[in-house]
Amino acid sequence: GAVVSQHPSRVICKSGTSVKIECRSLDFQATTMFWYRQFPKQSLMLMATSNEGSKATYEQGVEKDKFLINHASLTLSTLTVTSAHPEDSSFYICSAPSSSYEQYFGPGTRLTVT
Amino acid sequence: AQSVTQPDIHITVSEGASLELRCNYSYGATPYLFWYVQSPGQGLQLLLKYFSGDTLVQGIKGFEAEFKRSQSSFNLRKPSVHWSDAAEYFCAVGSGTSYDKVIFGPGTSLSVIP
Repeated sequence: GAVVSQHPSRVICKSGTSVKIECRSLDFQATTMFWYRQFPKQSLMLMATSNEGSKATYEQGVEKDKFLINHASLTLSTLTVTSAHPEDSSFYICSAPSSSYEQYFGPGTRLTVT
Repeated sequence: AQSVTQPDIHITVSEGASLELRCNYSYGATPYLFWYVQSPGQGLQLLLKYFSGDTLVQGIKGFEAEFKRSQSSFNLRKPSVHWSDAAEYFCAVGSGTSYDKVIFGPGTSLSVIP
């Protein structure tokens, strides 16, 4: 089946710094990718839709200036958490839909902001 | 917009007992429905999906789910639970277009008593 990778799998950064998370579709092209955030013992909350070649679409309540999304190619979307704070510590998961109406999820990136 | 509810936050069953996890969705048209499982600290694994056709769908690991349009439900079942089934289970709904977002329910945490 289709594979989606994320890098890094874990990252620790200091408060106030920025961190970039990559999401790659390894064996298929994805004009659309989705970014989710999952706090401990909670569900996945959709943050934004990443669109290749155009601006991302953010869900209500998600700060677009804090969570920068770039979908520069058909296989890569990046999420940059700018000026990270401890409350941004979370599990970030990306997904990419396939032509078979299924979403392929990445393994997730655990961000810890100290 | 689509939404999902999972009425049971936590369920405990004995190993070998049957299991049913409830899921109710809200969507104006025919939904695309999914069940995912997530072990602690891990990514998501797709158990099964419903797009159309037979309303009883079979998945991996001995799971099945039944789509009932009249009840807006998509309950997950397993006839005999194994200790390794202990995990978080998420029901999710898509809008019915192949490249649209998937919205997750709040999840049900399953504990299995040996």
